Amino acid sequence: DAGVTQSPTHLIKTRGQQVTLRCSPKSGHDTVSWYQQALGQGPQFIFQYYEEEERQRGNFPDRFSGHQFPNYSSELNVNALLLGDSALYLCASSYRTGTDTQYFGPGTRLTVL
Amino acid sequence: AQRVTQPEKLLSVFKGAPVELKCNYSYSGSPELFWYVQYSRQRLQLLLRHISRESIKGFTADLNKGETSFHLKKPFAQEEDSAMYYCALSRGYGQNFVFGPGTRLSVLP
Repeated sequence: DAGVTQSPTHLIKTRGQQVTLRCSPKSGHDTVSWYQQALGQGPQFIFQYYEEEERQRGNFPDRFSGHQFPNYSSELNVNALLLGDSALYLCASSYRTGTDTQYFGPGTRLTVL
Repeated sequence: AQRVTQPEKLLSVFKGAPVELKCNYSYSGSPELFWYVQYSRQRLQLLLRHISRESIKGFTADLNKGETSFHLKKPFAQEEDSAMYYCALSRGYGQNFVFGPGTRLSVLP
């Protein structure tokens, strides 16, 4: 089991563009959470998907949206990129009806110029 | 609102010395507390959680509800303990995590 995988590893975009990040959960997991980690800070919760629906959301604008597919993989979309969106985006998976321990992916480093 | 604070950005100790990484939280309910660790060039991984009351790699942490703290301790630091440590809080089963800003532990030879 490769654990949680994310793609791409790095991404460079310009202001105003749109970006899509992808995540495949750990085998057996059905819940995916996304976090934004700015430089020098801890991860901040964006939203969580379970059964293809957004179940919880952190304090992020509507420019941040997501999707979960029937195979439990997930996408994070960010529209109208701002310089401040530059960060490491982490995906974490868990098994909702078991322990709530989250397993993290390696992250996608997004740079907005 | 939930909040997690870690007062030290950087903590340097010598090998063999005791280590204590501080974590305080604010939450009115009964939280679940976790410590996550990130070694150089590796992903964030769970170190321990308070409900399991276990010791991982010699680290322990006790939840003190009176002081709203969950400090991480190890009696004798090793060089391989050098990493970034994050304290995290969950409101309960299936709920999202709130992370602290992290403390970088540097264990000197």
